[in-house]
Amino acid sequence: GIQVEQSPPDLILQEGANSTLRCNFSDSVNNLQWFHQNPWGQLINLFYIPSGTKQNGRLSATTVATERYSLLYISSSQTTDSGVYFCAVGVNYGGSQGNLIFGKGTKLSVKP
Amino acid sequence: KAGVTQTPRYLIKTRGQQVTLSCSPISGHRSVSWYQQTPGQGLQFLFEYFSETQRNKGNFPGRFSGRQFSNSRSEMNVSTLELGDSALYLCASSVLPGQGGTEAFFGQGTRLTVV
Repeated sequence: GIQVEQSPPDLILQEGANSTLRCNFSDSVNNLQWFHQNPWGQLINLFYIPSGTKQNGRLSATTVATERYSLLYISSSQTTDSGVYFCAVGVNYGGSQGNLIFGKGTKLSVKP
Repeated sequence: KAGVTQTPRYLIKTRGQQVTLSCSPISGHRSVSWYQQTPGQGLQFLFEYFSETQRNKGNFPGRFSGRQFSNSRSEMNVSTLELGDSALYLCASSVLPGQGGTEAFFGQGTRLTVV
């Protein structure tokens, strides 16, 4: 099956710093999402980005499907950005969602 | 527009008991999937339901089962609970392809503790 690797596993930043999180996947996918898991466990959608580049405020993401990686950029980090960031990929078929395969996540800690 | 709703939020059960968790998807979404999150195994896919039919199943024992109703609401059941079933159970819903893609949206989760 598809393997998903995220790096780095842990990241400590000072407030205001920028960061790049990486997600490598081992096969072609037609679904790639980035999530932020809040302290209560909910997965918050950041980007649905099977290919291309998207931006949302201080966050942006780029997926290069042909090279099987995606990057999540966080600029001017804030303490509220702390948490675990997950990349998930999937192959959809037959009109159904299929299943998402998650990486192990990047734990981000932003210090004031 | 209401998000994905899971109930209950927290649950404590004893080994050997069974448990039922509920998930109401976003209005108009017909696909519902379930995931288990543990510190050791991370996020793992349990099963997916679409139009009341199980379409896809992860590598979990038969003690884990689910169903979907005609209104797309879904339940999952775990029988003969084991300590290792303690986890955060997350439900995700999505629309059909061609109607905005298959972006998955997750609920707040049900945290199950087996004692």
